[in-house]
Amino acid sequence: GAVVSQHPSRVICKSGTSVKIECRSLDFQATTMFWYRQFPKQSLMLMATSNEGSKATYEQGVEKDKFLINHASLTLSTLTVTSAHPEDSSFYICSARDESGRGGTEAFFGQGTRLTVV
Amino acid sequence: GDSVTQMEGPVTLSEEAFLTINCTYTATGYPSLFWYVQYPGEGLQLLLKATKADDKGSNKGFEATYRKETTSFHLEKGSVQVSDSAVYFCALRTNDYKLSFGAGTTVTVRA
Repeated sequence: GAVVSQHPSRVICKSGTSVKIECRSLDFQATTMFWYRQFPKQSLMLMATSNEGSKATYEQGVEKDKFLINHASLTLSTLTVTSAHPEDSSFYICSARDESGRGGTEAFFGQGTRLTVV
Repeated sequence: GDSVTQMEGPVTLSEEAFLTINCTYTATGYPSLFWYVQYPGEGLQLLLKATKADDKGSNKGFEATYRKETTSFHLEKGSVQVSDSAVYFCALRTNDYKLSFGAGTTVTVRA
């Protein structure tokens, strides 16, 4: 199946700093990518839909100024957690759909990023 | 709105035991249904799917049947192995390609 690569897999940062997470579709193009957040022992919650060449669409309750999303190319979306605080510590995971039709209608997930803010 | 209700865990089983994880859903329209698996320290992997009523998805010995009349998509495996220890998520997807996930069920299989 199609491959989605997410980087970094783990990051520890100091409170107040910003962290950028990359999500790449390695062998297909994706005009739309999705960013999820997973709290310990809980399910994944959709944060936002990343649209290539336009603004991201955020789910209700997600601060767009806090979680900046940039989808500058057909294979790369980035999530920047700005002015991170300990409560932002979580597992962030992206997904993308192979819109060429080869991958059917599946969403392929990255490996996830474990963010710890200290 | 769309939602998925999944059997709470954790579930602990012995090898070769029968596994069932219940999943029911609420959705407008006709969703596609999925089971994803998350092994320790990894991201999600698609386990199986069904796109219309009465479809049966199957993979790696796991099965689930899309039951429209009961709005269910229960996951079953007849004989689990230690390597099946993971978190299992039931999910649905409607036309906008957004996925709604259940809370996840942690399964531990003991040798």
